[in-house]
Amino acid sequence: TQLLEQSPQFLSIQEGENLTVYCNSSSVFSSLQWYRQEPGEGPVLLVTVVTGGEVKKLKRLTFQFGDARKDSSLHITAAQPGDTGLYLCAGANTNAGKSTFGDGTTLTVKP
Amino acid sequence: EAGVAQSPRYKIIEKRQSVAFWCNPISGHATLYWYQQILGQGPKLLIQFQNNGVVDDSQLPKDRFSAERLKGVDSTLKIQPAKLEDSAVYLCASSSLDGYTFGSGTRLTVV
Repeated sequence: TQLLEQSPQFLSIQEGENLTVYCNSSSVFSSLQWYRQEPGEGPVLLVTVVTGGEVKKLKRLTFQFGDARKDSSLHITAAQPGDTGLYLCAGANTNAGKSTFGDGTTLTVKP
Repeated sequence: EAGVAQSPRYKIIEKRQSVAFWCNPISGHATLYWYQQILGQGPKLLIQFQNNGVVDDSQLPKDRFSAERLKGVDSTLKIQPAKLEDSAVYLCASSSLDGYTFGSGTRLTVV
């Protein structure tokens, strides 16, 4: 069983601060996705990374895939209350194949 | 494009009763997944369909859970009889090469 560990489990910060959350595994993945989930809704895909060392930017969010394709990080610059939510990472080993999810980081950004 | 539709949004049943959930994936998406998300955890795969065939049901508790996708489009997930530990959000997703699109889920409470 491939496991993804996310840290920290909970993070509470003030608006305007920067933060980084992590997703680690002992297994290699062909691709890794990051999702954000708000209460009462399903996860929404933010980004997919497929190449070791790849960095993708989405406005104030920066995603990095580890060189060995076992880990990933999500950095948010100048966090806003709208960034509040559960951030989930998921790894897959085949294109459009099943993904294994971590248990997420719950982020709260206080105004 | 229309998203993944799920119904009902909420369901409360007593233990030992049966319940069914329905999912209509994004048009043209051949792969459909059912995930169970217990409070405080990430989604856990129950079953994966490719068109109307089962690809992976290794984590489905087959003594009480069943799922079908007879025409390769809509899918239903059934629990009979339900247990208290089945209380969770049941998420349906369909996938493209980029990642999953999730429905809003069905929140099941077993009392």
